Formats: sequence, structure tokens, C-alpha cells
Amino acid sequence: DTQMTQSPSSLSASVGDRVTITCQASQDISNHLSWYRQKPGKAPNLLIYDASNLETGVPSRFSGSRSGTDFTFTISSLQPEDIATYYCQHYDSLPLTFGGGTKVEIK
Amino acid sequence: EVQLVESGGGLVQPGGSLRLSCSASGFTFSNYAMHWVRQAPGKGLEYVSAISSNGGSTYHAESVKGRLTISRDNSKNTLYLQMSSLRAEDTAVYYCVKDISAGPLFRRVFDYWGQGTLVTVSS
Repeated sequence: DTQMTQSPSSLSASVGDRVTITCQASQDISNHLSWYRQKPGKAPNLLIYDASNLETGVPSRFSGSRSGTDFTFTISSLQPEDIATYYCQHYDSLPLTFGGGTKVEIK
Repeated sequence: EVQLVESGGGLVQPGGSLRLSCSASGFTFSNYAMHWVRQAPGKGLEYVSAISSNGGSTYHAESVKGRLTISRDNSKNTLYLQMSSLRAEDTAVYYCVKDISAGPLFRRVFDYWGQGTLVTVSS
């Protein structure tokens, strides 16, 4: 099974800061990786798929990239509405798995 | 507008059964694979089950295999999750999720999620 190691588990940043979250896959998953945001008390929503494709309607301050088995998710300018937990998810093979999540708070 | 509305959750005793339903609207339900993802209280996301657009192919995670069964009725635009032999570790919010790609294959990118229904397994 492919494991996804997501870091950090939590972070605190100021409005306007650049925020970076990483996920490392335990084996090659090509670009088969998505990022989701889950606001408190809500269902997750898709932000990025295929490692770097922005889902329709998602603000351009969100981006994703890949380097081998390392994946990076970036918020270029943190907004108050970005308070949430972020998850990566691979879909290269079964069982698909999610990272452990990164809780983002405003400093 | 795509809408996924789950129902059927509640409190059930260990060993008991429950059937979750997900009513879909706003898209051609029969064209898309559908999935169930769950989240235990205060925990992360766990992929549970999947079913192809025509219902001919299904997947269940090892943790639920033989106890939870996914199905669909395309004439009713409804997805189901039959749950039996429930355990305390099945306690979670269960989300009905739409696959991003139309067609017979699974893409497993989840572009729409329902609001979730809570299943609590406790005596």
C-alpha cells in the first residue's frame, strides 16, 4: 500500500503569508494526487488534482507541484477563510489513502 | 447545481445494521462512479467503498469488506451503503462522494461531497 506522509500536522500563519504543506508518497504515484480543504464542521472540497491542476472555481492563490514522490501545496497569500484542515490524497492504486491532514490557523 | 444528500445515519448497537442512502441531483447520476468516504470523530479521512457508473464493479476497503456493501439504483439517482455487523470503530461521518470523471472507469478524484451522515455504534 502507498502511504502518504503529510507535514506539518498544524501551522499558524498571518493573513497574507505564504503557506506551504508537503506530502511524500512511499512509492511512485506519478502525478495522481489531489488536495482538499475541509473547513470546520463542513465536508471537504476539491482544490487541486493531478498534482497541479486547479479545480474550476478555486481561487488562484492555491497551487500544487510535484517533484518525484514529493508534493507541495501552496497558499500564496493566506486569507481568513482559509482556516481549515488540508488533506492530500493519492489515487494511483488501491487502496487510495489520504494524508494525515494539516490544520491551518491564523496567527 | 450538483447536490448529494445523505440520510440513514443514527445510533446503532454493536453487531447491528443500518442502510445509508445518498440522493443525487444536478448531474447525470448514471454516468459517474460514486464513492463513500468516512471520517471518525476528530480524525482524518478514510476511503470506504466505490461503485462504477453502471454498478457492475465495486470496491470495499479491507477494513469493511464483508460487512459494508455499496450499491446504486440509477433509476432513482440514489447511492446506498448497507452496513451490517457494525463495530465501534465504524463510528464516523459517512460522506457520499462523486467521481470527477464520467464513464465506466474510476478516476477517484472527488469533486462533490455530500454534507455527511453520522453513524454511531455504541451500546
